[in-house]
Amino acid sequence: GNSVTQMEGPVTLSEEAFLTINCTYTATGYPSLFWYVQYPGEGLQLLLKATKADDKGSNKGFEATYRKETTSFHLEKGSVQVSDSAVYFCALWRAGNTPLVFGKGTRLSVIA
Amino acid sequence: NAGVTQTPKFQVLKTGQSMTLQCAQDMNHNSMYWYRQDPGMGLRLIYYSASEGTTDKGEVPNGYNVSRLNKREFSLRLESAAPSQTSVYFCASSKQGVNEKLFFGSGTQLSVL
Repeated sequence: GNSVTQMEGPVTLSEEAFLTINCTYTATGYPSLFWYVQYPGEGLQLLLKATKADDKGSNKGFEATYRKETTSFHLEKGSVQVSDSAVYFCALWRAGNTPLVFGKGTRLSVIA
Repeated sequence: NAGVTQTPKFQVLKTGQSMTLQCAQDMNHNSMYWYRQDPGMGLRLIYYSASEGTTDKGEVPNGYNVSRLNKREFSLRLESAAPSQTSVYFCASSKQGVNEKLFFGSGTQLSVL
């Protein structure tokens, strides 16, 4: 079946550090890939997405590139801020009537 | 701009009690979902409703029932609560059928003692 595996957290970084959160997937066919973010006390919200191989999704300084050869969609940001502290979820979607499949989430804490 | 509204925000139950979690969206979305979030387990789908009048089981449906009351509302019922159902519950919706862009409510924190 379809599944998403994320790196275990928590991840703690100093402000302005480089961030990578790894995500790999297992799926038949050509899924779309997403990163959702959950800020403290809130529901999840879509951060970025990529719908085909070699696409790069980007938003708020975050980027992720859909790598079909390595079945990966790693999230990166060049310089994190305290306000980026949140839980990040990688997700996968196959076209059709099947809901999103989420990874387990990675908690990021950024300290000043 | 209400979006997806869940009630209540917090609830404490005793084992065996029943309760209904309410969810309403004002975005005219077709599909609605119930997820639970547990430490180390991430987000798991309980039930979803692809369109008004239909409901389907997700990954962890046991112990829950749902009702798609109308296009706006999708409720989740625990008939006999168990401690294993202690969790944070999120309702979500999406615009045109089951798709990738979900809009989430702010969650209900449920404790079953």
